[in-house]
Amino acid sequence: LAKTTQPISMDSYEGQEVNITCSHNNIATNDYITWYQQFPSQGPRFIIQGYKTKVTNEVASLFIPADRKSSTLSLPRVSLSDTAVYYCLLRREDTGRRALTFGSGTRLQVQP
Amino acid sequence: DAMVIQNPRYQVTQFGKPVTLSCSQTLNHNVMYWYQQKSSQAPKLLFHYYDKDFNNEADTPDNFQSRRPNTSFCFLDIRSPGLGDAAMYLCATSRGDRDTQYFGPGTRLLVL
Repeated sequence: LAKTTQPISMDSYEGQEVNITCSHNNIATNDYITWYQQFPSQGPRFIIQGYKTKVTNEVASLFIPADRKSSTLSLPRVSLSDTAVYYCLLRREDTGRRALTFGSGTRLQVQP
Repeated sequence: DAMVIQNPRYQVTQFGKPVTLSCSQTLNHNVMYWYQQKSSQAPKLLFHYYDKDFNNEADTPDNFQSRRPNTSFCFLDIRSPGLGDAAMYLCATSRGDRDTQYFGPGTRLLVL
């Protein structure tokens, strides 16, 4: 699977919108972009997944430009409880049995 | 609620003494995974089962073994734990190998 690159850390304040960008220059045609969130001492939790353009759910939005070489996870109006590590992953949609490969992740710190 | 359960949450073992970590799921998912996560690092896949079909990652040490006696349970056996095996061990499940993974809370292993 292609490699993903994210900022190591980000800081924000409560109530702000946070955008975390992930770079995946070598993304394949059948790769889906997936984001997971992990709180300290817990397992990762699926947030959102997309293939192109924009995807929105109750937690976040995912913006994917036409060339798909990057993606941006947008968290609206963050709170202290959004402090976590956010992982951007590529999940390949093919017949091979391939599990997730986690990148280094972005550590988001939300302050009051 | 359907979920992934890991017991115990904390496990202490001695250097070289075999230890078994357990995972159970009520989701009736076909696939079960074991990940190792060391401090401040991303989760790293050790192996996974698709039903009874065992899939080992190429760089998983022989010291790590797994058993899946039925759909609901999966075990991680560490035959001779070393100090470097101290980590959080995460179990995850998915319906198929291309579906969203659901993680348990993890078992933190300490090797003395």
